[in-house]
Parts: sequence; C-alpha cells; structure tokens
Amino acid sequence: AQSVTQLGSHVSVSEGALVLLRCNYSSSVPPYLFWYVQYPNQGLQLLLKYTSAATLVKGINGFEAEFKKSETSFHLTKPSAHMSDAAEYFCAVTLNYGGATNKLIFGTGTLLAVQP
Amino acid sequence: KAGVTQTPRYLIKTRGQQVTLSCSPISGHRSVSWYQQTPGQGLQFLFEYFSETQRNKGNFPGRFSGRQFSNSRSEMNVSTLELGDSALYLCASSSGQGTLSSYNEQFFGPGTRLTVL
Repeated sequence: AQSVTQLGSHVSVSEGALVLLRCNYSSSVPPYLFWYVQYPNQGLQLLLKYTSAATLVKGINGFEAEFKKSETSFHLTKPSAHMSDAAEYFCAVTLNYGGATNKLIFGTGTLLAVQP
Repeated sequence: KAGVTQTPRYLIKTRGQQVTLSCSPISGHRSVSWYQQTPGQGLQFLFEYFSETQRNKGNFPGRFSGRQFSNSRSEMNVSTLELGDSALYLCASSSGQGTLSSYNEQFFGPGTRLTVL
C-alpha cells in the first residue's frame, strides 16, 4: 500500500530563512508525488509534482523538491521564506495507474508559520 | 476558465439528517474526486467519478454516496448524519485522460464546510 509521512506537524521559520518540509513515501511501484498548499478557508493548490522525469522539481512561488529514491523522500524546500508562505502544506502520492485513477493519498500536513 | 465550484460553501445539519453537496468541475474535465478533511483523520479519499461511472472508492460507510451527471457535475450525499461527519468536503476535477507517462493534474474547489450538531 502507498503512504506518505510528513515529519513535523508544525514548523516555524523566520522571514528570509530556509524552509524545509519533510516527506517520506512508501510505495511498491514507482510513485507520483505531489506537494499541495492550503490557505485558510481555501481548497488545495498544487505547488509541484514528480512524475518520474527530473528528480529535482521546481514549482510555483519559489518552492522546489527533490525525489530521492534511496531515501524514499520528497522534501520541499524554499531558500527564503516570505510571510505569504504561511499555510498548511500536504505531501501526497498516487500510483502510476496509467490514468485509470486520480486517487491521492495525503500526509497529515505541516503547518508552516513565518515569523517577522 | 472558471475553476471548480462547490455549493453550498457552508452547511449546518443535525444528527440523523441527510445532506447533498454539489461540485461543478472545470469545463471539459470528466473526472471528479471527493475528499473529506478533518482535524483528526486528515484528508481522506471518498470516491472518484469519470464519465458518470464510479471508478474508485475509499473506505467510507455506505452512508456516503455520490453520482455524476452527463455534464460532469457531481453530487455527494451523506445519509443519517453523525457528529463525526463534520468536515470540510473537497472536490477535485481533472481531465481524467492520463497515460502511463502522464498524470491528470487535479484542481481543487474551495470546499463545503459541513457542521453536524
């Protein structure tokens, strides 16, 4: 079965500091991996996705993530945090079903706080 | 293109009642998925519809059901509401026409906040 684990339910950084949100996955077949962001009272917005192409994936708002098969990790980073980055971030996995399903399995989320 | 719309945005019901939530996908999208988000259980997959057929279902009791219409709009219904059904219900749409080498990016709506008293 596929699953993702997000380490740290709350992360606090200073404005301008490095953001690192951790995600480890478990999958018996090549996974597709995603990071979504959720702002208060809103739905989920896709930040970036890994779909077996380049292992370093760049997303929106300056975020990027690196797929490391040996570590089964897909950590999200941003070199310099901005106040507007404060939100909840979800890592998710889906199987490469060849388009037969869109089912996403989400991690428990990491709430990012950015201190001025 | 207009995004995914969900109605109503907020809903208050009492235990034992039933509720119907609606989701209108992005124009041209044929796949609609539903998720339940709660503080305790997080984001959980409910079901997915593609071209009016349910093609995947999560581990929820039979009180949770859904359907999709010919225009791809989808509804989900929860009967005999329980306190634990209080949640944010999110709908996501995609083209649903991926291949082995591609992925159908999903676009989420703002959700319907259901409160069961």
